[in-house]
Order: sequence, then C-alpha cells, then structure tokens
Amino acid sequence: AQRVTQPEKLLSVFKGAPVELKCNYSYSGSPELFWYVQYSRQRLQLLLRHISRESIKGFTADLNKGETSFHLKKPFAQEEDSAMYYCALQGGSEKLVFGKGTKLTVNP
Amino acid sequence: EPEVTQTPSHQVTQMGQEVILRCVPISNHLYFYWYRQILGQKVEFLVSFYNNEISEKSEIFDDQFSVERPDGSNFTLKIRSTKLEDSAMYFCASRTSGYSYNEQFFGPGTRLTVL
Repeated sequence: AQRVTQPEKLLSVFKGAPVELKCNYSYSGSPELFWYVQYSRQRLQLLLRHISRESIKGFTADLNKGETSFHLKKPFAQEEDSAMYYCALQGGSEKLVFGKGTKLTVNP
Repeated sequence: EPEVTQTPSHQVTQMGQEVILRCVPISNHLYFYWYRQILGQKVEFLVSFYNNEISEKSEIFDDQFSVERPDGSNFTLKIRSTKLEDSAMYFCASRTSGYSYNEQFFGPGTRLTVL
C-alpha cells in the first residue's frame, strides 16, 4: 500500500528561524516524492520534487530511503512561506498519494 | 501563464441529484485527473484519463462517477446520484505527455455541497 504521513498538522515558527516539515512514506518500490504548497486562497502548486534535486524559494528536501522520509527544510523562514504544505508520493502509476498536510505559520 | 480552470467554484445540490463538474485543462496537456478533498481530510485520487479512456481509477470512483472529454477543451466529472458523503472539494489536474512523473497542474477546485 502507498501511504504518506505528515505528523504535524500545524507548525508555527518565527521569521528567520529554520523550519522543517516532516514527511514519511510507505511504498515497497522506488517512489517519486513531491512537495506541493497551497497559499491562502490559491491552488495547489508544485514546490519541488525529489527527481529534480533543486532548491525552490530556499526550500530543499532530501529523500532518505532508509528512514523512508522526505522532509522539507528551509534555513530561514519568511512570512510569505505561510501556507499549507502537502507531501505526495507517486509510485508506478499516475496517481498522486497525498499526506494530510501541514499548515505552516511564520510569525513576524 | 496557462492555468487549469474549473467551473463552478461552488455547487450546492440536493441528495440524489446529478451534478457535472467542469474543467478546462491546459491546452497542450494530454493526461487529466480528478482528485477530491473532504473537509479536514487528505486529497484523494479519483481517476486519471488519457486518450479518451480511463487509465486508472480508485475505489472511490464507483459506478456513480463518470468522466468525459466531450470536446477538445473540457473535461467533466459527473456524479449521477449525489450522496451526503460526496460533499468535498473536487480538483481537476492535467499534465503534458511523456514522463509520468511530470508535474500535475491543479485547478482551483469546485466545492460541492450535498444537502
């Protein structure tokens, strides 16, 4: 079975502080992992994906197959990072399997 | 920048009624999807559609659901006889051809309320 777990429903940090949003997955094969973001009153949009190995808006995520994790990190959070973040897995088919999401609030 | 559009933004219907949710995918995209999100729960995959056929569907996508691409631009999701538990946000998505892990672009969603 394919499953994505985001253990934190809410995460609140201060501007300039580091932030880490946790994501663990369950999949027997080699998945592709994504982070999607939804800013207030906007649509879901791709933030980054494992295969691209890129940094977007200062965010990075490393796939750890041993720990089956794909945590999202940013060293210095900004107020504009406040949003809903969804980790998603794609494994051997077209469908994306999403976690429940983490609401990140960056306080001034 | 091209975007996926969905209409209506909010649909209210009575239990047992049929609803059609409409989506206009990005014009050069060939793969189309419907997802839904019940309030407070995960975004869940419903169905994928390619070359005028369903390529994959979830357990949620039972006989009450159908999808269609009636013309070159629209992609619709029909629920034949709505139930209270169909109340959710429905998202359409599309992607280009080629690599299956290419980005899926999402629409803004249609909020369906079944009374």
